Amino acid sequence: DGGITQSPKYLFRKEGQNVTLSCEQNLNHDAMYWYRQDPGQGLRLIYYSQIVNDFQKGDIAEGYSVSREKKESFPLTVTSAQKNPTAFYLCASGTGVGNEQFFGPGTRLTVL
Amino acid sequence: RKEVEQDPGPFNVPEGATVAFNCTYSNSASQSFFWYRQDCRKEPKLLMSVYSSGNEDGRFTAQLNRASQYISLLIRDSKLSDSATYLCVVIINTGGFKTIFGAGTRLFVKA
Repeated sequence: DGGITQSPKYLFRKEGQNVTLSCEQNLNHDAMYWYRQDPGQGLRLIYYSQIVNDFQKGDIAEGYSVSREKKESFPLTVTSAQKNPTAFYLCASGTGVGNEQFFGPGTRLTVL
Repeated sequence: RKEVEQDPGPFNVPEGATVAFNCTYSNSASQSFFWYRQDCRKEPKLLMSVYSSGNEDGRFTAQLNRASQYISLLIRDSKLSDSATYLCVVIINTGGFKTIFGAGTRLFVKA
């Protein structure tokens, strides 16, 4: 089945630790995105990538890093520099920027 | 002013009712428009794209008004399963593309 997967579904980390969230898609999409969603708020773009080995900062990139070494994979690292990392993280992919996006099931990160 | 604004609701309607949501956008360079549905603690799912000529998918109708800079979603014959948050999404093209999500409108359909 084609789709986009994220793991883990729930993640707990101690303050000060870096953590990497996985995102994989087998839809052959060129574009991939990372968003965070806080309660009662809209999605905010962290990073996006239009093609392998290239990515751009979104609106709230500080404290996050990404890589795009393969078309299928776009992992997000939440670093200790992110001031308020507890949130619902959503990965999406699409045929290209400007087109509709399809979301993975998300990862709920809680920093204790 | 936010780039994309939605009435947060909640909208409480009985089964079978018709309900309409509006979403306004401020940037005239907006070129693509979508409605997504998000269930509680789940990911957003694409409901429908919004075209200039308007489009319909079963009980759902989406329309775009470029002159007044808003899009709308009409749900006819509401079902209990329509209860969710509806997100308006606008893609702006100003040389580069920027995707803006509205904060969403909550809908509760009651028996």
